[in-house]
Amino acid sequence: DTAVSQTPKYLVTQMGNDKSIKCEQNLGHDTMYWYKQDSKKFLKIMFSYNNKELIINETVPNRFSPKSPDKAHLNLHINSLELGDSAVYFCASSQVGYYGYTFGSGTRLTVV
Amino acid sequence: KNEVEQSPQNLTAQEGEFITINCSYSVGISALHWLQQHPGGGIVSLFMLSSGKKKHGRLIATINIQEKHSSLHITASHPRDSAVYICAALITGNQFYFGTGTSLTVIP
Repeated sequence: DTAVSQTPKYLVTQMGNDKSIKCEQNLGHDTMYWYKQDSKKFLKIMFSYNNKELIINETVPNRFSPKSPDKAHLNLHINSLELGDSAVYFCASSQVGYYGYTFGSGTRLTVV
Repeated sequence: KNEVEQSPQNLTAQEGEFITINCSYSVGISALHWLQQHPGGGIVSLFMLSSGKKKHGRLIATINIQEKHSSLHITASHPRDSAVYICAALITGNQFYFGTGTSLTVIP
């Protein structure tokens, strides 16, 4: 009964492929996020969804697209993968007004 | 320049030492989080602070809102404390600025 679960944990794929990473939270939080952790361990926010509405969209390539079928899910779809997309991607959720912030365990994406 | 700066970037300590990690921020915040990331990759939220001081086991977090500074202290450090520690400043209801992290290694 993991609070924020991401799948897969590891993903190795070739350049040019399209892939998705799934995220689900069972905390009843109203906001979900995707973060990319670069090689220097710096966490950079990519997207945030609040009640199915995109509220933060940092300057990420449009090859990345978040998809939220419902409040408990925020999936990350990546088209035409590039070598530079290799990183660890973290999903997280929070509830407005409570400041609690729960992370998933991360997905290590390797593009070869 | 990052809105949230941490120091040191890397820290090596002997088991049992008292450890301090510092975080300074340049923006107005609602709260500040301290996060821990173990070598396996998972991130755990340690503390959320908006004022004063919090303690959990051997971990202590303090914040000085006027000076825009927070510290994370680890007493009687242990090798299992080896991890990356990240401070994150909450500036609005849902927007965070993350520090670059401090990589801590505790040697037996």
